[in-house]
Amino acid sequence: VQLVESGGGLVQPGRSLRLSCAASGFSFDDYAMHWVRQAPGKGLEWVSSISWNSGTRGYVDSVKGRFIISRDNAKNSLYLQMTRLRPEDTALYYCARATGAFDVWGRGTMVTVSS
Amino acid sequence: SSELTQDPTVSVALGQTVRITCQGDSLRSYYASWYQQKPGQAPILVISNTNSRPSGIPDRFSGSGSGNTVSLTITGAQAEDEADYYCNSRDNSGDRVIFGGGTRLTVL
Repeated sequence: VQLVESGGGLVQPGRSLRLSCAASGFSFDDYAMHWVRQAPGKGLEWVSSISWNSGTRGYVDSVKGRFIISRDNAKNSLYLQMTRLRPEDTALYYCARATGAFDVWGRGTMVTVSS
Repeated sequence: SSELTQDPTVSVALGQTVRITCQGDSLRSYYASWYQQKPGQAPILVISNTNSRPSGIPDRFSGSGSGNTVSLTITGAQAEDEADYYCNSRDNSGDRVIFGGGTRLTVL
């Protein structure tokens, strides 16, 4: 059972970035999936969630209207399209599998928003 | 909006018992989970559904809850338990996931 994030990097404020999370070792389409971020030296912050069939999506207020979560069950992949990025979006972004609790986490991909 | 409150730091002597608490109104309605995070590592789940221990988690870790407070108890703390611990649950509406601010546990 594994989750591997990718797509992070250094980006200027106002620009866009797309994160990916590749799942393996389990039936991806049986689970809701989430993105959780952690700013340098700070705590965990939930960002977004998506149900198994993409029917339900949720976002923390600070990213609503700027980020879009999606998934492709045929590719066992989760995505986070981030637009109009701000310096306060700088963080390590984790994807996590949800069984009520977050029982599997990836190692994260770092996003740095800076000019 | 809802929030979960944790003490920022807690310490325990090696081999002793420590309780880490998490308070929030939404805990009256929703289960809580606990995560352990060591420096440079991803979090791992140590307690789910307020008091369930996932396979592979040592039995010195236990969880409990009452009213608006949930607790993570480590009975016989070990040096390797030194880490940050986060609680999480749902907000009052149930639509959002929330995390506590985290508790840094020091094992003396």
